[in-house]
Amino acid sequence: KAGVTQTPRYLIKTRGQQVTLSCSPISGHRSVSWYQQTPGQGLQFLFEYFSETQRNKGNFPGRFSGRQFSNSRSEMNVSTLELGDSALYLCASSLAPQDGYTFGSGTRLTVV
Amino acid sequence: GESVGLHLPTLSVQEGDNSIINCAYSNSASDYFIWYKQESGKGPQFIIDIRSNMDKRQGQRVTVLLNKTVKHLSLQIAATQPGDSAVYFCAETPTGANSKLTFGKGITLSVRP
Repeated sequence: KAGVTQTPRYLIKTRGQQVTLSCSPISGHRSVSWYQQTPGQGLQFLFEYFSETQRNKGNFPGRFSGRQFSNSRSEMNVSTLELGDSALYLCASSLAPQDGYTFGSGTRLTVV
Repeated sequence: GESVGLHLPTLSVQEGDNSIINCAYSNSASDYFIWYKQESGKGPQFIIDIRSNMDKRQGQRVTVLLNKTVKHLSLQIAATQPGDSAVYFCAETPTGANSKLTFGKGITLSVRP
């Protein structure tokens, strides 16, 4: 079966711009989580969605937002980009929360 | 835990030897634990998980041990192969509304041929 698909794979944006990243979970998976990975901070939880509802949110500013659609696909948005937002953004899906999370390959965002 | 910054701890093992990767977790409410492997340019790959009602679980060439008393998790890899070279992360989460994966900083496993 197809894995977790994240698009785009690479993105370069300018400070102040906004960006939208997309994640298509494994078919049948209803839970989608987003993580930010940087060399300095490691993997940090952004938010989790289950059945179109945000279930949990990490300690990130309000510039980071997300949503989940009825087909379980999810998007995250970062507004007013800062240089420090440069990171690998990872999406993980699972059948339900706390039920084995499968990660996508991520979107590498570079803010210049 | 402490910040490792750009340099992750490295474990170097000889091909064919067994590897043991350790992880200390901090949240006593965590009851679900996962080990991930991440290769360069890829997302974390699920290796094995364990719930808090168990103290040992075995997979193919891998074993996870959980010691809740001292909040310690370990991953044992039998007959380590060059393809096992990667960064390994442990992750923990509690049950319920606050469930979210909290990752350790990661350990680099380097397999010598």
